[in-house]
Amino acid sequence: RKEVEQDPGPFNVPEGATVAFNCTYSNSASQSFFWYRQDCRKEPKLLMSVYSSGNEDGRFTAQLNRASQYISLLIRDSKLSDSATYLCVVLPGSGGYNKLIFGAGTRLAVHP
Amino acid sequence: DADVTQTPRNRITKTGKRIMLECSQTKGHDRMYWYRQDPGLGLRLIYYSFDVKDINKGEISDGYSVSRQAQAKFSLSLESAIPNQTALYFCATSDRGGSTDTQYFGPGTRLTVL
Repeated sequence: RKEVEQDPGPFNVPEGATVAFNCTYSNSASQSFFWYRQDCRKEPKLLMSVYSSGNEDGRFTAQLNRASQYISLLIRDSKLSDSATYLCVVLPGSGGYNKLIFGAGTRLAVHP
Repeated sequence: DADVTQTPRNRITKTGKRIMLECSQTKGHDRMYWYRQDPGLGLRLIYYSFDVKDINKGEISDGYSVSRQAQAKFSLSLESAIPNQTALYFCATSDRGGSTDTQYFGPGTRLTVL
């Protein structure tokens, strides 16, 4: 089983739609969680951190469910510019240096 | 100007050749990383360095070596390139580890080994 799993998509949605992605992780001791955005042929960039209480940044809402070991990203009122691949990233809680574990990404395509 | 730069941006080479990918940063971060990205897989860590005298292997270090020439520079070498090292390579930096770690990526180097 992969440490971080995501549905690769693509999710094809019209402008204005609400879309949600889930990501599951295998290490129950994981400490921190992030969503990164990666545009085609570009570098990943941090979109938002995911906190236990859930957090919102404009049209984006991230939630964490520790009991079921998944995190989610909700995008409301989708824009064409939201088209990208969204990477779920987990920081494990084991000893030593905790390297980030990247999911393979979920591709979103927003169309007019 | 970009905070994290990588050279070259694209490289095509032949099996058996030695290749060096370079990374420079102006963010003043101590920590630097090299990742590779393959279709359908997440980014995988090759090597990382927490300061100039510190080098650590990541999950896929075989066939690669690194050099941290200065705080701002971290180079990745493929001693004898093979076709399955064809991938997109990213350098990244971070200010500190732990739960607040945000990694800043360079634009990537697309490497093709024929």
